[in-house]
Amino acid sequence: AQSVSQHNHHVILSEAASLELGCNYSYGGTVNLFWYVQYPGQHLQLLLKYFSGDPLVKGIKGFEAEFIKSKFSFNLRKPSVQWSDTAEYFCAAGTSYGKLTFGQGTILTVHP
Amino acid sequence: GAVVSQHPSWVICKSGTSVKIECRSLDFQATTMFWYRQFPKQSLMLMATSNEGSKATYEQGVEKDKFLINHASLTLSTLTVTSAHPEDSSFYICSARDLSGSEQFFGPGTRLTVL
Repeated sequence: AQSVSQHNHHVILSEAASLELGCNYSYGGTVNLFWYVQYPGQHLQLLLKYFSGDPLVKGIKGFEAEFIKSKFSFNLRKPSVQWSDTAEYFCAAGTSYGKLTFGQGTILTVHP
Repeated sequence: GAVVSQHPSWVICKSGTSVKIECRSLDFQATTMFWYRQFPKQSLMLMATSNEGSKATYEQGVEKDKFLINHASLTLSTLTVTSAHPEDSSFYICSARDLSGSEQFFGPGTRLTVL
């Protein structure tokens, strides 16, 4: 069965700190990987996606993620977070843009 | 960008009644829409895949007779929770995939509370 696991439920950082959110997946066959963000009171938005090719993927707002096949991981990173990055982040795995399996979500709180 | 709306944004109903939730793609056509359910402090769980003009495909453990899905047009899918009970209280989120299949867009969700 497919599954996605996010390592941290709640991460608290100060502005300018570096961020890394862990995501591991278990998926049979070819997998596409996604990170979504949900700002307070808003709907899910796509941050970045990986289908194939360069395992280092750059997304919006300075976020990037690295696909490491041997570790079944797709960690999200940002060198310097801002207060406006406060949100909940979801890792997801699926086939193309079809059915998605989501991780539990990580709440990021950034203190100014 | 593409926008998906849901109506209502929240609803409170009595146990035993049915509730209909609409999911609309406002500026694009969607042959496929997905319905998710999210419990507090938990992840989104896919309930069913809604295909325009055909029957929905339900995930294992989801009762198709309880969660009726209709996808009558390329811009509208509805989820009807029939004979709702308190355990059906949850946050229901839809997403829509555009015709090219290149991206999936999420609605803002509907909070259902069954008394």
